Amino acid sequence: DAGITQSPRHKVTETGTPVTLRCHQTENHRYMYWYRQDPGHGLRLIHYSYGVKDTDKGEVSDGYSVSRSKTEDFLLTLESATSSQTSVYFCATLDDSTDTQYFGPGTRLTVL
Amino acid sequence: RKEVEQDPGPFNVPEGATVAFNCTYSNSASQSFFWYRQDCRKEPKLLMSVYSSGNEDGRFTAQLNRASQYISLLIRDSKLSDSATYLCVVNPNNDMRFGAGTRLTVKP
Repeated sequence: DAGITQSPRHKVTETGTPVTLRCHQTENHRYMYWYRQDPGHGLRLIHYSYGVKDTDKGEVSDGYSVSRSKTEDFLLTLESATSSQTSVYFCATLDDSTDTQYFGPGTRLTVL
Repeated sequence: RKEVEQDPGPFNVPEGATVAFNCTYSNSASQSFFWYRQDCRKEPKLLMSVYSSGNEDGRFTAQLNRASQYISLLIRDSKLSDSATYLCVVNPNNDMRFGAGTRLTVKP
C-alpha cells in the first residue's frame, strides 16, 4: 500500500465555518486527487494536482479550493461549509508508472 | 448521462456462483480502464487493470470492448470474501472517473 494518510479522519462542523482537510503521501507521486463519495453517486472528483502548485478542477469543484505547496501534501479547503458538503472525502495519488491509484483511508465530514 | 455507468445491483449470489458486472463509459478518448474493490467503510483498492485483449487473474476475468465502450468483470466460484462493492474506473486524461459501483453479497 502507498503511504497515504488523511487528517482529520472524522470532523463535525457547523454551516459557514471553514474546514481544511489534509492529505499526505510518502511515495513522491506527481498526481494527487480529492474525491467525495456519496450514496448513489460513487466517487466524484473535486480537484486534482499534477505537480507542486499545479491544480485543476474536477466535476464537483464548486465550494472547494485546493493547494499543493509540497509534493507530499495536498490540502482541500471548504471556505464556508454547507450541509450539502457532508460526505466522505478520499484523497488519492497516482503511480503513473503503473497507472494505479492509491487511496487514503478517508475523512468523514459532517456539516450541521 | 453519467460518464461511467454500472449495473446498479445489488447482486446477491450463493457461494460458488459465477457473477458478471458490466460498465459503459461515454468518453471515447479514455486510455485506461480498471476495476476497483471497496469494502464497507474502507477506501477503494485496485482489483485489476483491464486490457484490450482481456485479462485474467485467478477467478477474475476482465474484458474491454472499445468499439462499444463497454467493460466487464466476471467472478467465478464466488467466495464469501468477494462480498464488496466493485467500482468501474475509466481514465480519460489522468483524471480518473468512477462508476457508482455495484454491490455484491456472496451468501453461504
